[in-house]
Amino acid sequence: DAGVTQSPTHLIKTRGQQVTLRCSPKSGHDTVSWYQQALGQGPQFIFQYYEEEERQRGNFPDRFSGHQFPNYSSELNVNALLLGDSALYLCASSMGQLNTEAFFGQGTRLTVV
Amino acid sequence: AQSVTQLGSHVSVSEGALVLLRCNYSSSVPPYLFWYVQYPNQGLQLLLKYTSAATLVKGINGFEAEFKKSETSFHLTKPSAHMSDAAEYFCAVSRSGGYNKLIFGAGTRLAVHP
Repeated sequence: DAGVTQSPTHLIKTRGQQVTLRCSPKSGHDTVSWYQQALGQGPQFIFQYYEEEERQRGNFPDRFSGHQFPNYSSELNVNALLLGDSALYLCASSMGQLNTEAFFGQGTRLTVV
Repeated sequence: AQSVTQLGSHVSVSEGALVLLRCNYSSSVPPYLFWYVQYPNQGLQLLLKYTSAATLVKGINGFEAEFKKSETSFHLTKPSAHMSDAAEYFCAVSRSGGYNKLIFGAGTRLAVHP
């Protein structure tokens, strides 16, 4: 079992650009959540996808959007990048809406210059 | 609203000493509580979770935590620290009733010295 995989592991973008991050959930998991972890802080919830729909959303602007595909993989898109978007982006997967445990990927380190 | 406060951004212990990482939560509904560990350049690994069953929860790597409703606390302990325990530890809270968004504390960096 490969666990939760995220790609790419690192990337550098320029202010104003757009970025797409990808996540493949753990085998058997159908729910994907995204978190932003700024340097020296705890992760903050961005949104969650289940059955290809956004089910919950944290306090993030509309520049942050996502998608879930029929195979349960997910993408996080960020438009009009700001310097403050530099962070580690973590994907977590879980099984159904009743399971209490989430498994995290290793994250994508985004640097905006 | 839910929130988590982790007391002490840095904790340093000697190898073999007791590890105590403090976590206090605020929740208007029955909470689920979690402790995660993060090693450098890695994601989060679940150490243990409280989901309204036993108040004393045992996790991996010899860690345990006790849910104390009266004190709104969920402190993490380990009787004897090992060098490999050096990492960042995060306490998190969510609403009960299945998987919901996790609200994390700011984290505590644990250093273990010989």
